[in-house]
Amino acid sequence: DAGVTQSPTHLIKTRGQQVTLRCSPISGHKSVSWYQQVLGQGPQFIFQYYEKEERGRGNFPDRFSARQFPNYSSELNVNALLLGDSALYLCASSFIAGVSDTQYFGPGTRLTVL
Amino acid sequence: AQKITQTQPGMFVQEKEAVTLDCTYDTSDPSYGLFWYKQPSSGEMIFLIYQGSYDQQNATEGRYSLNFQKARKSANLVISASQLGDSAMYFCAMRDDQTGANNLFFGTGTRLTVIP
Repeated sequence: DAGVTQSPTHLIKTRGQQVTLRCSPISGHKSVSWYQQVLGQGPQFIFQYYEKEERGRGNFPDRFSARQFPNYSSELNVNALLLGDSALYLCASSFIAGVSDTQYFGPGTRLTVL
Repeated sequence: AQKITQTQPGMFVQEKEAVTLDCTYDTSDPSYGLFWYKQPSSGEMIFLIYQGSYDQQNATEGRYSLNFQKARKSANLVISASQLGDSAMYFCAMRDDQTGANNLFFGTGTRLTVIP
């Protein structure tokens, strides 16, 4: 079975631009979460969606938004990019959204903001 | 408040030896899950092992085992018979019910280097 897929793999943008990152979960998984990993740190939670509804949001500004589609794929949008948005963006899927539910990660999208 | 603490920025181990990576956590929720992930230089986070707060026995998955000491709030990862391919970043993570979103809180990671 295919794992979590993310596109694009790499992205270079300039300050002020907008970016959309895409994620397809493992087949059968209904929950998608997004994380930002800045170089040298652990991933930080951005959003979680379950059954197309937002279940949680981390401490990120309103420039960050996301949505989940009927096929459970998801998009993360970031507006008005800042240099500090340069990071690896990881998508994770899980069957449900429970405490014991394992999240499986995709390969990530590496965003560079110049 | 810091939920996950990994105090070892880097660790070295000889090939075929065992190594323990430390992790302590903080939560007041009685129901929580503890996870370990491996992140090679490629960037993908690879799930290794899971321990539930109510599990009576320590989790094991092949060469990976989790030394779960609930009273000390520690969840150390033990890798037996280290291989060169084990060289990577290792992250401890926790999920509890407090936030309602069941998101993972990650530590800062430990870089493991396996020496031939």
